[in-house]
Amino acid sequence: RKEVEQDPGPFNVPEGATVAFNCTYSNSASQSFFWYRQDCRKEPKLLMSVYSSGNEDGRFTAQLNRASQYISLLIRDSKLSDSATYLCVVNPGRRALTFGSGTRLQVQP
Amino acid sequence: ETGVTQTPRHLVMGMTNKKSLKCEQHLGHNAMYWYKQSAKKPLELMFVYSLEERVENNSVPSRFSPECPNSSHLFLHLHTLQPEDSALYLCASSQGPGRQETQYFGPGTRLLVL
Repeated sequence: RKEVEQDPGPFNVPEGATVAFNCTYSNSASQSFFWYRQDCRKEPKLLMSVYSSGNEDGRFTAQLNRASQYISLLIRDSKLSDSATYLCVVNPGRRALTFGSGTRLQVQP
Repeated sequence: ETGVTQTPRHLVMGMTNKKSLKCEQHLGHNAMYWYKQSAKKPLELMFVYSLEERVENNSVPSRFSPECPNSSHLFLHLHTLQPEDSALYLCASSQGPGRQETQYFGPGTRLLVL
């Protein structure tokens, strides 16, 4: 079983749509959680940290369910500029991060 | 953004060559990392340096040799690589330890081994 699993997509959605990505992780001792965004042929960039209480940053909402070992990202009112690969990232309790393979989002006009 | 820089950005090398990748962070962080990203695969951790000491080596072949002369610089020395080592090599840095310690990535070096 992969340490961090994501649906690879692609998710093709029209502008203005709401889209949700899910991610599961296998290590129940994991301590911190993130969503990173990676544009084609670029480096990953932090989108947001994910907290147990859930958190929101503008059009983006992240949720964490520790009991189910499940993380989600909701994007409302999708923009063309949201097209990218979204990486679910878990810190298993040491300084390095464990990355999922990513979910590709394509927002269409 | 120029928080983490990497050189060269692109590198083509033969299997008998020796080359080095360089990473520099301007963020005052105390940890640096090397990751490998191959096509269709998730980022794989290679090495972790904390306060200039290597704290993790993720079963990386000895043809990859890291060096961290100070907290701002990280090198990856390459020798006798194989074609399957062709990938994007990403450097990252962070300040910690901390519960939500965040890593910041450089733009990567795209390596092709012929």
